Parts: sequence; structure tokens; C-alpha cells
Amino acid sequence: EVQLVESGGGLVKPGGSLRLSCAASGFTFRNAWMSWVRQASGRGLEWVGRIKSKTDGGTTDYAAPVKGRFTISRDDSRNTLFLQMHSLKTEDTALYYCATDYQYNSNWGQGTLVTVSS
Amino acid sequence: DIVMTQSPDSLAVSLGERATINCKSSQSVLYSSDNKNYLAWYQQKPGQPPKLLIYWASTRESGVPDRFSGSGSGTDFTLTISSLQAEDVAVYYCQQYYTTPLRTFGPGTKVDIK
Repeated sequence: EVQLVESGGGLVKPGGSLRLSCAASGFTFRNAWMSWVRQASGRGLEWVGRIKSKTDGGTTDYAAPVKGRFTISRDDSRNTLFLQMHSLKTEDTALYYCATDYQYNSNWGQGTLVTVSS
Repeated sequence: DIVMTQSPDSLAVSLGERATINCKSSQSVLYSSDNKNYLAWYQQKPGQPPKLLIYWASTRESGVPDRFSGSGSGTDFTLTISSLQAEDVAVYYCQQYYTTPLRTFGPGTKVDIK
């Protein structure tokens, strides 16, 4: 069974940094492309970014609102996906999900909450 | 960027009746080289992550009940729940992945029991 478990969320001040993790199991993580998607409270879904598998180049792509501030990385030896967030803004407050990525997003974690507030 | 819109914003349907949700993209998501519509549907129940229901506009994900079906092509798509069950109360989102890696979601349609 595919499992994705996010962690690392919390309260951070505007301008601060936070690193989210997503522990994966139940599938061959090193072959998977992975996405981060966020959802502000009571709002819709917003794609944040994606990382390809290393065999497919390991490249990353980001949505415009986070480009240059967020970095997605992966540690295939630990079956873990990361989202490093810098220069956080109040509008980054959301529940952050990791998801497997085959163009569409087949499997999702339960999410970790990031709150950016002074 | 492709903008996705959904209608209605919400609907209430009696148990056992049909629910129909519409999704429209600002430009075609039909890729001519493979004749596939790059459109997915997700279900999100309260307090839960989204769940993939349909991809390629009409292919049902494994384990999804056959009362869920997707149709449409180009810019206009429909998700139909043929006989609404209590467990189908949720928000439903469409997503285009034509402009992958950038994907955009519709704003969601809330489905309730009448």
C-alpha cells in the first residue's frame, strides 16, 4: 500500500524558513516523480512544484508564486521528499501535501500545516 | 496559463439521484499527438486529502466505483455520479495537466445530500 507521510509544518514568522519532509513507502520511490500541492484553509488546491526521478534527470519545476523561494529535493536512500521554503509570506499559509506524480496525482499524503504569521 | 472553471459551485442531490459537475478549461487540453485529454477529477472529503477518481478525462482509477464517470473533450468536461450515495458528499475538483509540469485545478464543486 502506498503511504506518504508529511512532517515539518508549524508556525513561522514572515520572512522565515521551514523544511517539510514526506516519507514514502509501498512503492519504488526512486523511480517516482513527486509533487507538492498546497491548500489554504477553506480554499482550493494549488500546485507548488515537482521533481522528476534521478533516472529522468531529477529536475525540478515550480509554480510562479514560489519560484526562487522554494526548493524541492529528494533522498532516494531514505525514500524521502523535501520542500525547503525560504522568505515565507503570509500567503504561503496552507496545508501542504506531497503526492506521486504521473502527470495527474495518484496518491496523496495527509498533509502538514504551515502557518506564516507574526 | 490555463484557467479552469467549474459549475455549479455547489449542488444538493437526493440519494440515488444523478449528480453532474461541469468543468471548463480556458484552452483545449486535448493533445493532438496522442488524442488524449489531459484532465483529471479528484474527490476531497472533509478533513481528507484529495483522491484521484478519473484521469485522461474518462479513465476511472482502480477501485473507484463505476457510478463515477467522466466525459468530454477539448475544453468542456463533465463528472457524473449516476446514483448519489451518502459517502459521495465531498468537494470535487478538476485538474488540467496539459501544461505539465504546471497544473491547474478548478475551484471545486461541493456536493451535498438534498
